Amino acid sequence: NAGVTQTPKFQVLKTGQSMTLQCAQDMNHEYMSWYRQDPGMGLRLIHYSVGAGITDQGEVPNGYNVSRSTTEDFPLRLLSAAPSQTSVYFCASREGATGELFFGEGSRLTVL
Amino acid sequence: DAKTTQPPSMDCAEGRAANLPCNHSTISGNEYVYWYRQIHSQGPQYIIHGLKNNETNEMASLIITEDRKSSTLILPHATLRDTAVYYCIVRVAASGNTGKLIFGQGTTLQVKP
Repeated sequence: NAGVTQTPKFQVLKTGQSMTLQCAQDMNHEYMSWYRQDPGMGLRLIHYSVGAGITDQGEVPNGYNVSRSTTEDFPLRLLSAAPSQTSVYFCASREGATGELFFGEGSRLTVL
Repeated sequence: DAKTTQPPSMDCAEGRAANLPCNHSTISGNEYVYWYRQIHSQGPQYIIHGLKNNETNEMASLIITEDRKSSTLILPHATLRDTAVYYCIVRVAASGNTGKLIFGQGTTLQVKP
């Protein structure tokens, strides 16, 4: 099992560009989520999904879109990148409502 | 939603037990207490979780007070590799049991030789 796989690991964007951070899990988990972590701070929840076709907002959803067309994939889209979105992004998945979260290795995004 | 309060930092001598406290005085009866840790810039790692009873696994023990308003994570024999940020999280109760986890600032544990 690969677990939770995030791509790319590193990305540099210019202000206004768009991109998609990919997240895939091979554990058949229903629940998936995206967090961002700014330097010296804890993780903040961006969006989450409890199953294919269902998504919802977390603490800091503005500037990000998500979709969940399959159980395995949960991409995070930045439509018009801003310097404030410079951060490390973590994707996570979980089997049930109370189980442990499995995290990916992170995607480091810099917006110039 | 229940919030948690943790000390920002703690030190522990290598080989000794590390006791990390967490205050969650507004916890509801159906909310779990979770502990995760984050080593350097890696993705957070699950440690343990519990509802009422004390829990133990190969990594740590979780002691929850009888009134459930606070808990302590115990690493019985801390090593240098346990140096990390430790997050105490109370599972947010939401409709449909989404169980989303809200991370706070955590406690930075420094294990010293």
